[in-house]
Amino acid sequence: GAVVSQHPSRVICKSGTSVKIECRSLDFQATTMFWYRQFPKQSLMLMATSNEGSKATYEQGVEKDKFLINHASLTLSTLTVTSAHPEDSSFYICSATLAGRETQYFGPGTRLLVL
Amino acid sequence: KNQVEQSPQSLIILEGKNCTLQCNYTVSPFSNLRWYKQDTGRGPVSLTIMTFSENTKSNGRYTATLDADTKQSSLHITASQLSDSASYICVVSGYSSASKIIFGSGTRLSIRP
Repeated sequence: GAVVSQHPSRVICKSGTSVKIECRSLDFQATTMFWYRQFPKQSLMLMATSNEGSKATYEQGVEKDKFLINHASLTLSTLTVTSAHPEDSSFYICSATLAGRETQYFGPGTRLLVL
Repeated sequence: KNQVEQSPQSLIILEGKNCTLQCNYTVSPFSNLRWYKQDTGRGPVSLTIMTFSENTKSNGRYTATLDADTKQSSLHITASQLSDSASYICVVSGYSSASKIIFGSGTRLSIRP
């Protein structure tokens, strides 16, 4: 149980385009979802926390207008990287928590390459 | 400042050998500590979780220890296998908003045949 999926697993796009990444909790309802970014050989960096039906809370230094997060249902959150640039190339990972619990279940990640 | 530091940064051992990874933290007030295993190009998978009152917890060949007084944790891997090659991340959670979830930088473990 507690499986989290991400789609797509990898994406290559041109600079200036927007990319949407989906995060789904497959067998549970996730009241809270987290979005992380991970650069090579570095640890995960929390970008934002989103609760279903409310606006996401962004970490300091993360541009909310560039990284749009939507958490419209208890099983789906999306991250849209708008006007992507090569420096946005990274590994994006989402996680989800069950209501009332702290354990985060991580998705498999999405590798974004912006050319 | 709330921090989580892991050592060593990387480690190479032969298959079948044991190893111990370290995690020191300054997160306060402390809530819990988790060890995750992250295979290359994959999301992290939880190995163990310990609260303040727990000193040790095992998950198969993985045994985590916690000393809340010295704010140190270790992850011991017994009889290593090639599939243990991964990054191991220590994550500490606190009760305050400033210390809610702090990730260590991880230890990259490579198992050689």
